[in-house]
Amino acid sequence: GPKVLQIPSHQIIDMGQMVTLNCDPVSNHLYFYWYKQILGQQMEFLVNFYNGKVMEKSKLFKDQFSVERPDGSYFTLKIQPTALEDSAVYFCASSLDWPSQNTLYFGAGTRLSVL
Amino acid sequence: GDSVTQTEGLVTLTEGLPVMLNCTYQTIYSNPFLFWYVQHLNESPRLLLKSFTDNKRTEHQGFHATLHKSSSSFHLQKSSAQLSDSALYYCALINQGGSAKLIFGEGTKLTVSS
Repeated sequence: GPKVLQIPSHQIIDMGQMVTLNCDPVSNHLYFYWYKQILGQQMEFLVNFYNGKVMEKSKLFKDQFSVERPDGSYFTLKIQPTALEDSAVYFCASSLDWPSQNTLYFGAGTRLSVL
Repeated sequence: GDSVTQTEGLVTLTEGLPVMLNCTYQTIYSNPFLFWYVQHLNESPRLLLKSFTDNKRTEHQGFHATLHKSSSSFHLQKSSAQLSDSALYYCALINQGGSAKLIFGEGTKLTVSS
């Protein structure tokens, strides 16, 4: 089936540094998402993105977070500066159209470790 | 706000026994879409089932679920568990109130042993 690729699979950084998580969504998809999963806990919605803009964001999407997809390239999540509590697995997803009628396809996740 | 509840964090079964994973939800909107996603170890979550029709059974890969709006439930069932069913199962919701946000439950880890 359609694949969402996430690069890197694991990132280790020092607290206070900037990190960019990359997502290569399914090629013709229009909606993009980031979810955060702390070990052993549920997948929590961070943000969704359509037509170059953030549509919705949760309380977890702090001011230090930003997303973009310049010129149809990677859909990125940037955290600047990082904090210890940002350590988690971040899942990217994409869907062809409005998500209620269209399946969300998830990547394998990027495990972020903030030291 | 909208929420999804999965009461069992861990379910352990012997191969061949029936599977039932509970899912209930809360939303103020009358037309929610409900989903079951499955995540095998070191893999990404993938869609297993979805439904938006009240009282209609939906099936895929031996699993089935029926959305019951009267009880706000969407329980996942399978008649006979297989070893390969061992995975993390998430129930999820999107409401029809204009949100494009898929909301997940806490997840249920299913372990099937021989």
